[in-house]
Amino acid sequence: AQSVAQPEDQVNVAEGNPLTVKCTYSVSGNPYLFWYVQYPNRGLQFLLKYITGDNLVKGSYGFEAEFNKSQTSFHLKKPSALVSDSALYFCAVSPTYSSASKIIFGSGTRLSIRP
Amino acid sequence: NAGVTQTPKFRILKIGQSMTLQCAQDMNHNYMYWYRQDPGMGLKLIYYSVGAGITDKGEVPNGYNVSRSTTEDFPLRLELAAPSQTSVYFCASTKIGAGGAWEQYFGPGTRLTVT
Repeated sequence: AQSVAQPEDQVNVAEGNPLTVKCTYSVSGNPYLFWYVQYPNRGLQFLLKYITGDNLVKGSYGFEAEFNKSQTSFHLKKPSALVSDSALYFCAVSPTYSSASKIIFGSGTRLSIRP
Repeated sequence: NAGVTQTPKFRILKIGQSMTLQCAQDMNHNYMYWYRQDPGMGLKLIYYSVGAGITDKGEVPNGYNVSRSTTEDFPLRLELAAPSQTSVYFCASTKIGAGGAWEQYFGPGTRLTVT
């Protein structure tokens, strides 16, 4: 079965330190991969995506993610965390052999940045 | 562009009542989706549409109905509301195909309580 896993419910980081939010997937073929962020009482906002090409993709707010096909991972990273990065982060995967209706979202990771 | 808009923002229903959640997008996206997000959980797909006149079930369609008479609008109908339908409902859209970006754009959500 196709799936997306975010193994950490919560990640705590001090402001200024690097952060990583983990995502692994189990999908056949060459998937499209996405990260979204959700602030309290808001809808999800798109951060970045991997479709093809360079394995390191850069997105909004200084975030980046690295696609690792051998480890089937797409971890979200930022070199220096800000308190304003505190939010709920979702990884999503879309199998390319089918339509965008098959997008699968992870369960989310709550990122907490302490001053 | 207004993006994806949803109305109402909040609603309280009594058990057995019905209502329609409205969703509209002005980005000429072909795909539209309805998700529900229960407290502390990820997103579950209720219904989706790949274009006007075409809809299909997602992961949790029971108790809901949709229609898509225009590209812009994708209302979600709740019939005979039950406490299990207490949730936050998000509408999303994306463009798939030539020139499409694949990432989804989300509305601000409708917080529904059934008592």
